[in-house]
Amino acid sequence: QSALTQPPSASGSPGQSVTISCTGTSSDFGGYNYVSWYQQHPGKAPKLMIYEVTKRPSGVPDRFSGSKSGNTASLTVSGLQTEDEAYYYCSSYAGSNNFLFGGGTKLTVL
Amino acid sequence: QVHLVQSGAEVKKPGASVKISCQASGFTFTSYGINWVRQAPGQGLEWMGWISTYNGHTSYAQKLQGRVTMTTDTSTSTLYMELRSLRSDDTAVYYCARALVAASFDYWGQGTLVTVSS
Repeated sequence: QSALTQPPSASGSPGQSVTISCTGTSSDFGGYNYVSWYQQHPGKAPKLMIYEVTKRPSGVPDRFSGSKSGNTASLTVSGLQTEDEAYYYCSSYAGSNNFLFGGGTKLTVL
Repeated sequence: QVHLVQSGAEVKKPGASVKISCQASGFTFTSYGINWVRQAPGQGLEWMGWISTYNGHTSYAQKLQGRVTMTTDTSTSTLYMELRSLRSDDTAVYYCARALVAASFDYWGQGTLVTVSS
């Protein structure tokens, strides 16, 4: 399995919404709803933002939401703030204890 | 407070091995699996493998099979990841991360930079 496909970049102005896609094959998602999204600022460890497609860990603002349709998962960031500027990675459970990451998307807040 | 504290940076020559530790605290150690993820400079995240802290079962990424070994020491709540036959493209920051549920890593170590250079 190759990495999940993400656009290399996305951007939006403060207050706007932006959606980042994550595309794979049916085997990449393994028929499970185990899709996660991570935020990573430069020089920092990734931070879990969304898990099981739509769930938010405690402390993650509700401006972050996830969805999945077919073989494409999406992360939407609403009400963009300057601190949202970071890299975002999707990941999936592909079954048989195998996990995949997307290539990452750099989100720029204009 | 959950903490995963990793060992310090390493510089290795090609062909050598490296063993990184990850000490866990703040949670019931044997209740969560631990994954290892690496990130080459300027690149994305790469899943390396998973270990059950309960019974030591492991699953490794296919491309690393035969070169990587993950172990756990429940007496000290410490995980270890050993990578052998190092190559220059193994240069990366290596992270341990706790698995909340499948593919969901909710706590991460601070990362360990491994540099492979002759």
